[in-house]
Amino acid sequence: GDSVTQMEGPVTLSEEAFLTINCTYTATGYPSLFWYVQYPGEGLQLLLKATKADDKGSNKGFEATYRKETTSFHLEKGSVQVSDSAVYFCALSKGYGGATNKLIFGTGTLLAVQP
Amino acid sequence: GAGVSQSPSNKVTEKGKDVELRCDPISGHTALYWYRQSLGQGLEFLIYFQGNSAPDKSGLPSDRFSAERTGGSVSTLTIQRTQQEDSAVYLCASSLDAQGHNEQFFGPGTRLTVL
Repeated sequence: GDSVTQMEGPVTLSEEAFLTINCTYTATGYPSLFWYVQYPGEGLQLLLKATKADDKGSNKGFEATYRKETTSFHLEKGSVQVSDSAVYFCALSKGYGGATNKLIFGTGTLLAVQP
Repeated sequence: GAGVSQSPSNKVTEKGKDVELRCDPISGHTALYWYRQSLGQGLEFLIYFQGNSAPDKSGLPSDRFSAERTGGSVSTLTIQRTQQEDSAVYLCASSLDAQGHNEQFFGPGTRLTVL
């Protein structure tokens, strides 16, 4: 079945460091890919998305490119801030051809940014 | 506008009791989803509604779990004869429709603790 694999955390970085969180997926067809973020004490919210191969999603300085050839959707940010400390979830969905538009999530990666 | 709301925010119950969890989706959103977030299982899909129908119930873990949606709006997730392994945060999400690229908006969740 379809699945998402993301790097284990926690990831601990100093402020202004470069961030990469790896995400790969296994899916038939043409899924849409998402990064969701969960800040401490808050609900899940969409960070960015890409709906077809080679699309780049971006938001709040984060970006990720949908790479079909490597089945990857790695999250990057050039300079992290303390306020970026959160749990990041990679996810996929389909929602075409009769498939349910359910989100299939990775296990989540805890990011801790130290001042 | 108002986001997805869930009630109660916290529920503590004794093993064997029944519980009802409520979700109010964003007005006009036809698709509604229930997920469960637990330490052992991560974020997992439970059930999907399109309008008042549930075309995908594949994530419900046992027949003790059921859900309904009325008026194309409010949804209730019911867990009968609760067990300790049911302890988790139950998340509700809604989206405009069920197309795969559409963002799902999440509620704050109901934290269920079964003693």
